[in-house]
Amino acid sequence: DQQVKQNSPSLSVQEGRISILNCDYTNSMFDYFLWYKKYPAEGPTFLISISSIKDKNEDGRFTVFLNKSAKHLSLHIVPSQPGDSAVYFCAASPYNTNAGKSTFGDGTTLTVKP
Amino acid sequence: DTAVSQTPKYLVTQMGNDKSIKCEQNLGHDTMYWYKQDSKKFLKIMFSYNNKELIINETVPNRFSPKSPDKAHLNLHINSLELGDSAVYFCASSPAPGQGDSGYTFGSGTRLTVV
Repeated sequence: DQQVKQNSPSLSVQEGRISILNCDYTNSMFDYFLWYKKYPAEGPTFLISISSIKDKNEDGRFTVFLNKSAKHLSLHIVPSQPGDSAVYFCAASPYNTNAGKSTFGDGTTLTVKP
Repeated sequence: DTAVSQTPKYLVTQMGNDKSIKCEQNLGHDTMYWYKQDSKKFLKIMFSYNNKELIINETVPNRFSPKSPDKAHLNLHINSLELGDSAVYFCASSPAPGQGDSGYTFGSGTRLTVV
């Protein structure tokens, strides 16, 4: 049962343009949504998060949008840079932190062309 | 100064062997995790310890046994390795159970290949 899905395995954009990565979830108990970035041969690193009480969170070039009614979130990177080329994972976590159980999508490989 | 370090980075071993992967974090976090990334790229939780106490034990074969001697260490021992155990195993930590709004800190992974 895939509770978090990233339907686009890959995305290619030109440097300076916008990158939009999408993520859908099915479990309405999720309260925190996070994006991680992963370079080859490294572990994922936390990028940005949003809680379910918000619909937008911005950090520099990165903005995450949450549409709870559609159970959909997206990560916007503007402007995209070649160094942003990596695999991006979305993750969702329930509020009950004692459960500690987060669910990850299977990643989208972003390639930013110079 | 690596925050979450796991060893070894690569491990190639024969079927039927027993092997261990070690993980250490110097962040002072209370909670540590083992995740498995299989060929389909999904990151799946295996185990979680909070202050040396097991809090998550997903449906994994009992050939996998975690051990947490203290809250800074979480090791993974695998008995009777099988071909299907080949994957990348990630250790992670967080200040408390759950990602909250600041996520996990991951190690760089251990690529296990069973031949």
